[in-house]
Amino acid sequence: QKEVEQNSGPLSVPEGAIASLNCTYSDRGSQSFFWYRQYSGKSPELIMSIYSNGDKEDGRFTAQLNKASQYVSLLIRDSQPSDSATYLCAAGLSAGKSTFGDGTTLTVKP
Amino acid sequence: DVKVTQSSRYLVKRTGEKVFLECVQDMDHENMFWYRQDPGLGLRLIYFSYDVKMKEKGDIPEGYSVSREKKERFSLILESASTNQTSMYLCASRPPTGHGYTFGSGTRLTVV
Repeated sequence: QKEVEQNSGPLSVPEGAIASLNCTYSDRGSQSFFWYRQYSGKSPELIMSIYSNGDKEDGRFTAQLNKASQYVSLLIRDSQPSDSATYLCAAGLSAGKSTFGDGTTLTVKP
Repeated sequence: DVKVTQSSRYLVKRTGEKVFLECVQDMDHENMFWYRQDPGLGLRLIYFSYDVKMKEKGDIPEGYSVSREKKERFSLILESASTNQTSMYLCASRPPTGHGYTFGSGTRLTVV
């Protein structure tokens, strides 16, 4: 079992819709969680960090964390074609390391 | 903004060559990391460093070594390149606690 599992995708949504990306993790000791966006041929870019249970909103992005269920999600509201990318979920481990899921590829269709 | 610079965007090397991948960050971060990214395998940690001259093995250190002589520079060394080391190599840095990574632009290495 991978330490971080993501929906394999790909995920396709129409422009303006809500995109929902999901992630589960196995290490109950993880305290920090991150979402990265990776455009094709580019390196990952940090878009959201979340550390406590509940929701965290930043513009059109909302990260949700449920430690009891070991579940992290990312909602993208009013999805735009420019949101088309692979989204990586990561869980923070000891010594500052992170372990990554394999990513979910999102396509937003105009 | 933190900048993480990787010296080469694309690199082609021959089997058996010693290869150096350089990474420099400009924000005085203690922690630096080397990952490789392969289709279907995701991001895998090769080595990391939490201070000058300190290094720790990640999940796949075999065939690699690292050097951190200065805080801002973290080098990945392929001792004898092999074709199975053809990959995208990503360097990252972060502050001491709780923050996510800033990645460099990556080096796509091809070993022929």
